Amino acid sequence: QQQVKQSPQSLIVQKGGISIINCAYENTAFDYFPWYQQFPGKGPALLIAIRPDVSEKKEGRFTISFNKSAKQFSLHIMDSQPGDSATYFCAASYNTDKLIFGTGTRLQVFP
Amino acid sequence: GAVVSQHPSRVICKSGTSVKIECRSLDFQATTMFWYRQFPKQSLMLMATSNEGSKATYEQGVEKDKFLINHASLTLSTLTVTSAHPEDSSFYICSARDTRGGYGYTFGSGTRLTVV
Repeated sequence: QQQVKQSPQSLIVQKGGISIINCAYENTAFDYFPWYQQFPGKGPALLIAIRPDVSEKKEGRFTISFNKSAKQFSLHIMDSQPGDSATYFCAASYNTDKLIFGTGTRLQVFP
Repeated sequence: GAVVSQHPSRVICKSGTSVKIECRSLDFQATTMFWYRQFPKQSLMLMATSNEGSKATYEQGVEKDKFLINHASLTLSTLTVTSAHPEDSSFYICSARDTRGGYGYTFGSGTRLTVV
């Protein structure tokens, strides 16, 4: 119930393309869903986050789509750039408690 | 924005010695901090939740006597790896929750521990 399943494990996208990463959860009590970007040897950095009362949130090239009934949420990276090449983690938490992380997606954007 | 400083970024120690890692919230107070461990090409595994002024809450399977956590002030939490062994070599990351503007979990830059 505490798991957050993330797919795909790795993703290769051409520059300018759309990168899509998906996550699914079981615990309907989760009320906070962030996405983190991590570069090698660095800590994760918050990209964008959403609460279950909205279905979509957009910040620049990054969009979260949230489907409460399906218990799924996804990250869309528009106009993907080589600098976006990193590992992306979805996460979820309940009532300001600990974050539960997905397994991660390694994104490679080729010129 | 919220900033979490973690020190040191890299440390090499000999087997049997202890290593202390510091995590500081620079521009906000954090009553709760979290310590994670990350193996190469894997996700972050929560080790413990550090609460200011009280004992840490450890996740199942994490040895509390091996990984000592102290959260003595609202801006500082420390993780001490005691009697380190090569299998303790890993990337350790702390996180703090900034409640000023909502949830906001901010992560430190991580500490690469190598035990030789």
